[in-house]
Amino acid sequence: NAGVTQTPKFQVLKTGQSMTLQCAQDMNHEYMSWYRQDPGMGLRLIHYSVGAGITDQGEVPNGYNVSRSTTEDFPLRLLSAAPSQTSVYFCASSYGSPTGELFFGEGSRLTVL
Amino acid sequence: RKEVEQDPGPFNVPEGATVAFNCTYSNSASQSFFWYRQDCRKEPKLLMSVYSSGNEDGRFTAQLNRASQYISLLIRDSKLSDSATYLCVVNPWKNAGNMLTFGGGTRLMVKP
Repeated sequence: NAGVTQTPKFQVLKTGQSMTLQCAQDMNHEYMSWYRQDPGMGLRLIHYSVGAGITDQGEVPNGYNVSRSTTEDFPLRLLSAAPSQTSVYFCASSYGSPTGELFFGEGSRLTVL
Repeated sequence: RKEVEQDPGPFNVPEGATVAFNCTYSNSASQSFFWYRQDCRKEPKLLMSVYSSGNEDGRFTAQLNRASQYISLLIRDSKLSDSATYLCVVNPWKNAGNMLTFGGGTRLMVKP
């Protein structure tokens, strides 16, 4: 039972590079989301999706793009990495809107030099 | 003011102690409330939902006070394995309820 799978687990980038964090879930969840977690800041919502083809911005969307071509996958793209994007990124999903349990991936630790 | 505020701790307690955390939220329209647990360098996992009437799950009790806009988590008979960060999570019902707000977490350390 895989649940929510994120790759890569660790990544080091140079300023200005682009990359994609992958997220896949096998629970047929309609809702998927991306958070970043920084010390003392809590988890902050970057983007979310309520179904294939539908995405929306969260609290801190600048510098990130998402797409949702299938129910299973929700990749997060960093367009031009900046040191301020050094963080731990979590993908999460839930069956409907997040009024119930949110299932998280194991996280991706990104360092931008 | 942050939308969801928690005392970051750490709370250092001996095994067997009772410990309580509070969390305040600013949006009075908030509809759903949760406590999540996050172990060091791991992902958050749901500990329990918080219902208006309060709810209990074994050694854990959660309470909601809408008038004062806070939720609480009480842990009785603390175990070493309870050491973790406890995240208060609120659904302020923005964007049709699709945006949860997380507190910064309260760190609990249970000592032998």
